[in-house]
Amino acid sequence: EDQVTQSPEALRLQEGESSSLNCSYTVSGLRGLFWYRQDPGKGPEFLFTLYSAGEEKEKERLKATLTKKESFLHITAPKPEDSATYLCAVYGSARQLTFGSGTQLTVLP
Amino acid sequence: DVKVTQSSRYLVKRTGEKVFLECVQDMDHENMFWYRQDPGLGLRLIYFSYDVKMKEKGDIPEGYSVSREKKERFSLILESASTNQTSMYLCASSFARSLAKNIQYFGAGTRLSVL
Repeated sequence: EDQVTQSPEALRLQEGESSSLNCSYTVSGLRGLFWYRQDPGKGPEFLFTLYSAGEEKEKERLKATLTKKESFLHITAPKPEDSATYLCAVYGSARQLTFGSGTQLTVLP
Repeated sequence: DVKVTQSSRYLVKRTGEKVFLECVQDMDHENMFWYRQDPGLGLRLIYFSYDVKMKEKGDIPEGYSVSREKKERFSLILESASTNQTSMYLCASSFARSLAKNIQYFGAGTRLSVL
C-alpha cells in the first residue's frame, strides 16, 4: 500500500524567511510524485511533477527536489501570498494518486 | 485553461436523502475522479472513471455510486446520506491513460453538510 507523510503539519514563517516542507513516501515503484497548492475554499492547483531521484523543478520562489524516500519543497524568501496548504501525492503501484494530509503554510508580513 | 466545474459550492442535506453532486470538465479529458477531503486525512479517492460508462472503485466507495453517461460529466451519488458523509468533495479530471505523467485538474469543491 502506498503511503505519504507530510511534515510539518503547519508552518509559520516571517516574510523572507526561507524553509522547506517534507514529503516522505513508501511506494512500490514510484512512477511520479506531485506537488499541489490549495488555497482556502478552493481545489488543489498543480505545481510540479517529479519522476526520478535527483530531479529538481523550480517555479518562482518554489523548488521541489526528489530522493528515493522523500521530496522537499523549498520556499525561498516567501511572501504572504505563498500562504496556502501544500499537498504531496505519489503515483505508484496503484493506478491512482495517494495524497498526504498536507502542510499548512502561513507567511506573516 | 482547463476548467472543472462543480455544480454546488455548498449543500445542506438531511440524513437519508439522496444527494447528487455534479462535475463537468471542458477539456475532453478521458479520466475523471471523485475525492473527499477531511482534516488530517488528506484527499481520499472515492471513484474514478477512464471512459464513458466506465467506473472503478477507489479507496472508500462504500455509501457512494457514480454515473458517467457523457465524457464531460461525472456524477457522484449518495444513495442515502449519513452524517459521516459530511465533507468537502472534490472532482478532478486528467488527460491520457498514463496517469504517472498526466496532471489532475481540480474543481473548487462542494462542501456537503448532512444533518
